[in-house]
Amino acid sequence: KNEVEQSPQNLTAQEGEFITINCSYSVGISALHWLQQHPGGGIVSLFMLSSGKKKHGRLIATINIQEKHSSLHITASHPRDSAVYICAVRYNTDKLIFGTGTRLQVFP
Amino acid sequence: NAGVMQNPRHLVRRRGQEARLRCSPMKGHSHVYWYRQLPEEGLKFMVYLQKENIIDESGMPKERFSAEFPKEGPSILRIQQVVRGDSAAYFCASSPYSQGPNYGYTFGSGTRLTVV
Repeated sequence: KNEVEQSPQNLTAQEGEFITINCSYSVGISALHWLQQHPGGGIVSLFMLSSGKKKHGRLIATINIQEKHSSLHITASHPRDSAVYICAVRYNTDKLIFGTGTRLQVFP
Repeated sequence: NAGVMQNPRHLVRRRGQEARLRCSPMKGHSHVYWYRQLPEEGLKFMVYLQKENIIDESGMPKERFSAEFPKEGPSILRIQQVVRGDSAAYFCASSPYSQGPNYGYTFGSGTRLTVV
């Protein structure tokens, strides 16, 4: 069982839809990251969270420390949002533990 | 202010050859991390280095793999006598700190190694 679980694994949406990707982890963490990876491309860090909520443009990330759960929301989705979204956590060490990713496709 | 620079972007090696992957961290970042992404799998930690020191190599295969981050120059991930199973995308990330609430990573574009 992976220490970091993401759902769904695959997600398709129509342009304009509101999208939610979930991430659960098993023990207390010091920080959680949301990353974006385009096919064949590099990795972009979207958010780093240790509590509460962050917003950047159409992206919103929340974390509930007590429930060990985080969500990434995309409002007014667009085909260019199509990518793999990866949740990663950092415990009391310096390395990240990654989820397996959520593959998002947004159709026009 | 260039981001994390990895080269080469693509590397093809025959079985038994050596692969050298380079990573130049962002200016001002002294912490470097290497991660590997096998085909159809998630990212896995390999090694964490600071200048001239290996801090955590718990994710490195015991044989054929080594990493360094010299005082001058880029970090190098070296794979000796490559095998087909080494084919993967190798990502480097850097950060300015090792602790604290502002600890964030910047990732490179990766090196895609293909062993033929």
